[in-house]
Amino acid sequence: GAVVSQHPSWVICKSGTSVKIECRSLDFQATTMFWYRQFPKQSLMLMATSNEGSKATYEQGVEKDKFLINHASLTLSTLTVTSAHPEDSSFYICSARDLGGYSYEQYFGPGTRLTVT
Amino acid sequence: AQKITQTQPGMFVQEKEAVTLDCTYDTSDPSYGLFWYKQPSSGEMIFLIYQGSYDQQNATEGRYSLNFQKARKSANLVISASQLGDSAMYFCAMRAYSGAGSYQLTFGKGTKLSVIP
Repeated sequence: GAVVSQHPSWVICKSGTSVKIECRSLDFQATTMFWYRQFPKQSLMLMATSNEGSKATYEQGVEKDKFLINHASLTLSTLTVTSAHPEDSSFYICSARDLGGYSYEQYFGPGTRLTVT
Repeated sequence: AQKITQTQPGMFVQEKEAVTLDCTYDTSDPSYGLFWYKQPSSGEMIFLIYQGSYDQQNATEGRYSLNFQKARKSANLVISASQLGDSAMYFCAMRAYSGAGSYQLTFGKGTKLSVIP
């Protein structure tokens, strides 16, 4: 089946620094990737939709200047948390839609656990 | 706007017994898809089963079946012959058109299933 990887799987950073999280589709091309955030014991909340070669579409309430998304190729999207603060600590999950697969299929990465100290 | 409701925060089931996890949804879009995902403690989202709004028959995938009642807007997940490895969070999600050629997944709050030996 289709595989999506995320790197790093976990990261600890100091308050005020920036962190970049990569999301890669390993064996398929993805024109669209999605970024979610999940706080402990809560559901996944969509942050933004990332389309290859164009600007990301952010959900209401998500600061686009704080969460920078770049989808430079059909296999890679990155999320950069700028000037991270402790409240940004969360589990970040990406997913990708297979360009050549069934229209409903969406594959999830294993997630990145971010802790800001 | 799309909404997914999972009213069971937690469920217990005896090993080898069947269990039903409830999910109701609300959407004005005539074309939509319903998903169930399993999230073990490791955090990865595992796709279990999909039901399209126009599918005539209930979806089945091994021990998983989806009890789709369109008029009642419910899409309950039935797990037969529960196993200890089924202990996890289960999320119901709906895929619906969000405009500009894009589809999004909206997740419910999840149900934590615990399988008792």
